[in-house]
Amino acid sequence: GAVVSQHPSRVICKSGTSVKIECRSLDFQATTMFWYRQFPKQSLMLMATSNEGSKATYEQGVEKDKFLINHASLTLSTLTVTSAHPEDSSFYICSAGAGGLGEQYFGPGTRLTVT
Amino acid sequence: DQQVKQNSPSLSVQEGRISILNCDYTNSMFDYFLWYKKYPAEGPTFLISISSIKDKNEDGRFTVFLNKSAKHLSLHIVPSQPGDSAVYFCAASAGGSRLTFGEGTQLTVNP
Repeated sequence: GAVVSQHPSRVICKSGTSVKIECRSLDFQATTMFWYRQFPKQSLMLMATSNEGSKATYEQGVEKDKFLINHASLTLSTLTVTSAHPEDSSFYICSAGAGGLGEQYFGPGTRLTVT
Repeated sequence: DQQVKQNSPSLSVQEGRISILNCDYTNSMFDYFLWYKKYPAEGPTFLISISSIKDKNEDGRFTVFLNKSAKHLSLHIVPSQPGDSAVYFCAASAGGSRLTFGEGTQLTVNP
């Protein structure tokens, strides 16, 4: 199956700093990538949809200036959490769409802890 | 507004028996449904899917049933194995690739 990687897998940062998370599709080209956030014992909440070469589409309630998304190529999308605060601590997961029917292939996730 | 709901947060079954995970949805525009399996600190992995034009799809030990009139789908795992213990998410899409996920059900298969 399609492989999606995420880096880093775990990051601890201080409040007020910015953190960049990378998402790569390793063996296929992904025109669309998705960024999710999952709080403990809760569902995956879609944050934004990232299309290669265009601006990301953010879900309601997600601050686009805080969560910067760049999809510079067909295999790489990045999420930058700017001026991170403790409430941003969460598990961030990206996925890549490999077709038009809704199947997505997920990365392993990034555990962000803001102290 | 939770458009996809998994009302059972947890399910425990004995090895070798059937596991049935349920999912309800409210959006009649959903036309494609998927089940994902997730281990702690990992991303979800795709299990099985079903289009709204079908009512059943089978893949090995996994079968998904769709009841459109009831807006309900279920995932059957038989026989259940300890390695199946994980959180199972159902997801739905209304055309295209955007998915809406349920809250997940923690399945525990006891040896």
